[in-house]
Amino acid sequence: KQEVTQIPAALSVPEGENLVLNCSFTDSAIYNLQWFRQDPGKGLTSLLLIQSSQREQTSGRLNASLDKSSGRSTLYIAASQPGDSATYLCAVRPWMDSSYKLIFGSGTRLLVRP
Amino acid sequence: SQTIHQWPATLVQPVGSPLSLECTVEGTSNPNLYWYRQAAGRGLQLLFYSVGIGQISSEVPQNLSASRPQDRQFILSSKKLLLSDSGFYLCAWSIWAALGRGNYGYTFGSGTRLTVV
Repeated sequence: KQEVTQIPAALSVPEGENLVLNCSFTDSAIYNLQWFRQDPGKGLTSLLLIQSSQREQTSGRLNASLDKSSGRSTLYIAASQPGDSATYLCAVRPWMDSSYKLIFGSGTRLLVRP
Repeated sequence: SQTIHQWPATLVQPVGSPLSLECTVEGTSNPNLYWYRQAAGRGLQLLFYSVGIGQISSEVPQNLSASRPQDRQFILSSKKLLLSDSGFYLCAWSIWAALGRGNYGYTFGSGTRLTVV
């Protein structure tokens, strides 16, 4: 059974710091991995999608890497800003699952202090 | 471009009352549709998914049901709400693109905050 873990559960950093959020999964048989952002009381916004054949994806100050063999992904945020404060969720799509459902981690709650 | 609409945004319902939450997708055909629930302080739990009209799969036994009367419409219902049905309900869609074009990820709606009192 696929399980997704995110560490740390919460993180508080001063503005301007570079930071790394971690995501690990127990079964390397995945189709892709997706990072989301969730603001309080809001839906999920997709940040980056990494296919299993890819090593990383970049969007602006965000960079996500994927090491499928070790079951790990990291989300790197450069030069953090207070507007980056949110909960970050990673999710994997298991291979050969006809529903295409996602398995989510419990998230990392990020606070960037001005 | 593809968009997903979910309503209402907030709902307060008494115990024992019925529920109907609606989700519609625009700009795509034959999407896979999903209902997730996020309880306070907990992760996202998949409730139902649908790979086509009239095709509903349930992930967990519960007081809720889902229907897909049209290709891009997904409805979450209950005949009698329980206190434990309170939570944040999210609709999402995904689609398998043609071979060679890769797979699109998930897109989520803005959610419905349901409070059962």
